[in-house]
Amino acid sequence: KAGVTQTPRYLIKTRGQQVTLSCSPISGHRSVSWYQQTPGQGLQFLFEYFSETQRNKGNFPGRFSGRQFSNSRSEMNVSTLELGDSALYLCASSTGTYQETQYFGPGTRLLVL
Amino acid sequence: KQEVTQIPAALSVPEGENLVLNCSFTDSAIYNLQWFRQDPGKGLTSLLLIQSSQREQTSGRLNASLDKSSGRSTLYIAASQPGDSATYLCAVSSGSARQLTFGSGTQLTVLP
Repeated sequence: KAGVTQTPRYLIKTRGQQVTLSCSPISGHRSVSWYQQTPGQGLQFLFEYFSETQRNKGNFPGRFSGRQFSNSRSEMNVSTLELGDSALYLCASSTGTYQETQYFGPGTRLLVL
Repeated sequence: KQEVTQIPAALSVPEGENLVLNCSFTDSAIYNLQWFRQDPGKGLTSLLLIQSSQREQTSGRLNASLDKSSGRSTLYIAASQPGDSATYLCAVSSGSARQLTFGSGTQLTVLP
């Protein structure tokens, strides 16, 4: 089975721009969660999508948004980028039941200049 | 609010040594606890998942224990190898959102 894939792997943007990141979950998985990882704050939960609906949301500003498509692929969008948005963005997939392992992708490293 | 702490932040050991990594959490009402490994600049690899009703899980040279009442978990690595060098993260699933709350990790270096 193919693992979780994320594209692009690296991105460089400037302040004020917007960016869209993509995540393709493991085949058959319906839940996709997004996390932000920074040296200062560690790993923080952004949101979770299940069957095209946002099921949970972390404590991030409205500039961070996402969506999920009928094939379970998910996109995350950050508008009006700030320097502090520079981070490794990780997505994780699972079947959607809460008792199981989450499988993480390799991440997208975003640098905001 | 759930908080997860990992001690030590960094650990350096000679090859072949057995070692223990510690994880503590403030809210014992968890659904499960997961240990991950992260290599530099890479994503997370799941190592072990312990459900809240379980006391331990084993996979090869790894053994993870869970004491929910005291809010503690340990990851035991037997006969460490240089390839075990990585950052080890523990994460708990809790709360109505059941999102994962991560510790800050233990950076392990195994010296040949």
